[in-house]
Amino acid sequence: KAGVTQTPRYLIKTRGQQVTLSCSPISGHRSVSWYQQTPGQGLQFLFEYFSETQRNKGNFPGRFSGRQFSNSRSEMNVSTLELGDSALYLCASRSRGQGNEKLFFGSGTQLSVL
Amino acid sequence: LAKTTQPVSMDSYEGQEVNITCSHNNIATNDYITWYQQFPSQGPRFIIQGYKTKVTNEVASLFIPADRKSSTLSLPRVSLSDTAVYYCLVGGAYNQGGKLIFGQGTELSVKP
Repeated sequence: KAGVTQTPRYLIKTRGQQVTLSCSPISGHRSVSWYQQTPGQGLQFLFEYFSETQRNKGNFPGRFSGRQFSNSRSEMNVSTLELGDSALYLCASRSRGQGNEKLFFGSGTQLSVL
Repeated sequence: LAKTTQPVSMDSYEGQEVNITCSHNNIATNDYITWYQQFPSQGPRFIIQGYKTKVTNEVASLFIPADRKSSTLSLPRVSLSDTAVYYCLVGGAYNQGGKLIFGQGTELSVKP
């Protein structure tokens, strides 16, 4: 099976712009979650989508949004970019099993806001 | 909502056993405990998961006391390639869609 794919790998934007990141989960996985990772803050949970519905959200401003399509692919959008949004954005997918069901992560999108 | 606390960093030498502890005082009854390993420029990778007592797989062991308020990841005989950041995750059960809250991570440095 192919792993979790995130595109693009690197992105450079300027303040005030908006950006859309894409995540293709492992085939058959219906849950996709997104995380922001910065050197000082570790892995911060953004939100999780399941069957096209957002079922949980972390403590991020409304500028951060996402969606999931019927094929489970997910996109994350950040509007009105700020310098502090520079980070590695990771997505992960998982499927039903026992317990938490392990997360499979992509390699991330490195976003730089200038 | 379980908040997790881990040591920021640890040092070890090749061949030693390393134990990394994660505190999670507010763990809920249906929460599992999962550990991930992350190398630079990569996404985290699953290591081990448990609910209570002890779990062992080919790369690590996970010890969880009866009160489940902490857990210890044990890496036997570490090598240089085990140098990475280790995260514990508590909660976020698949069926309930809880928030997936990671600890701050423990940066393990293995020296020759």
